Amino acid sequence: GENVEQHPSTLSVQEGDSAVIKCTYSDSASNYFPWYKQELGKGPQLIIDIRSNVGEKKDQRIAVTLNKTAKHFSLHITETQPEDSAVYFCAAIKAAGNKLTFGGGTRVLVKP
Amino acid sequence: DAGVIQSPRHEVTEMGQEVTLRCKPISGHNSLFWYRQTMMRGLELLIYFNNNVPIDDSGMPEDRFSAKMPNASFSTLKIQPSEPRDSAVYFCASSSTGKGEAFFGQGTRLTVV
Repeated sequence: GENVEQHPSTLSVQEGDSAVIKCTYSDSASNYFPWYKQELGKGPQLIIDIRSNVGEKKDQRIAVTLNKTAKHFSLHITETQPEDSAVYFCAAIKAAGNKLTFGGGTRVLVKP
Repeated sequence: DAGVIQSPRHEVTEMGQEVTLRCKPISGHNSLFWYRQTMMRGLELLIYFNNNVPIDDSGMPEDRFSAKMPNASFSTLKIQPSEPRDSAVYFCASSSTGKGEAFFGQGTRLTVV
């Protein structure tokens, strides 16, 4: 089955700096890669996603990149703010079926 | 839409008792997922349904766990008998087939003492 690895497991950045989280996946059939943000006491919330026919996608301060050949994708947060502090999960899903496989999560702390 | 609704939000029960977690997916979504989240194991998929039919239950830990989806707007996850190691946050999520995006509920924090 699919295996998603996520790094780093924790990330501490100064407010205003950038944060980058990287994920790799194993199944070349995976074609949809969402990113979720989980705040304390809440369920994961979808913040951005990318499909396999696109190499990069941006939404304000967040961007995702996808390298299908290398089977890795990344989340970039620019100009980080304290409210960006949360746990972030990457995930991958195959074209057939809906089984989302999650990475292990990255705890991001933005220091004021 | 109110989103995915889970109940209860918190459950504390004694070892050996039966526990039932409930989920109402987003109207119109035809896929439903049950996840378990712990510090040690992260987010684990327990089971998912498409059109009310269980598709993959390979993540269900053991026979003590069972899940049902009697109709498109309701699902339950039952643990009988419960054990302390079942303590975790259980999430329900729903999506539309082929779209990929899954929307999560707020979760049920289960504590088995």
